[in-house]
Amino acid sequence: DSGVTQTPKHLITATGQRVTLRCSPRSGDLSVYWYQQSLDQGLQFLIQYYNGEERAKGNILERFSAQQFPDLHSELNLSSLELGDSALYFCASSVGLAGGITDTQYFGPGTRLTVL
Amino acid sequence: GENVEQHPSTLSVQEGDSAVIKCTYSDSASNYFPWYKQELGKGPQLIIDIRSNVGEKKDQRIAVTLNKTAKHFSLHITETQPEDSAVYFCAASSYGNNRLAFGKGNQVVVIP
Repeated sequence: DSGVTQTPKHLITATGQRVTLRCSPRSGDLSVYWYQQSLDQGLQFLIQYYNGEERAKGNILERFSAQQFPDLHSELNLSSLELGDSALYFCASSVGLAGGITDTQYFGPGTRLTVL
Repeated sequence: GENVEQHPSTLSVQEGDSAVIKCTYSDSASNYFPWYKQELGKGPQLIIDIRSNVGEKKDQRIAVTLNKTAKHFSLHITETQPEDSAVYFCAASSYGNNRLAFGKGNQVVVIP
């Protein structure tokens, strides 16, 4: 158990809908990352937050957004869902080291999103 | 951006033998290289990582080697056991950039 929790575990919805995925980082971790895992694209970085502020953006669609709250939990919002958005969505957290050093990321169990 | 490739895509080994997975990366500025193990229905689990200031790191039956000149790093698993069967992902990131660029993964099958 990494200490990172994600809810829900599974989500089934229809095209055009909007969903929210939730992540709670490990105790003490300030950074939260979101990744998407699909068969064709593999594990892709979406976005990073550090202590409530957006830190880095990857291949995140404009229909997707995220935020990190004062209690450090994070939510990933996916809107106008398409069939191709079906994937596993992982949250990871890290301490958030200073000085630009990459710190260890610990992954949660993921949310499996199915868009019908 | 960084491009990470893994070889082979699938590896079958007899229990007790060694398994080696190799990854190559494209960005010479990359300096952090973690390996993750993912079992079915679970999230990636960090098993070992290495930074560019060392060439090798060991943790019991697992070791990682790094060749910065050739821009490749490898995962070595000795005395493989059935519970080592999983998908293994390598990743890379560079100084000041916390995003991990992942390889496509290797399916390792340990045959009892």
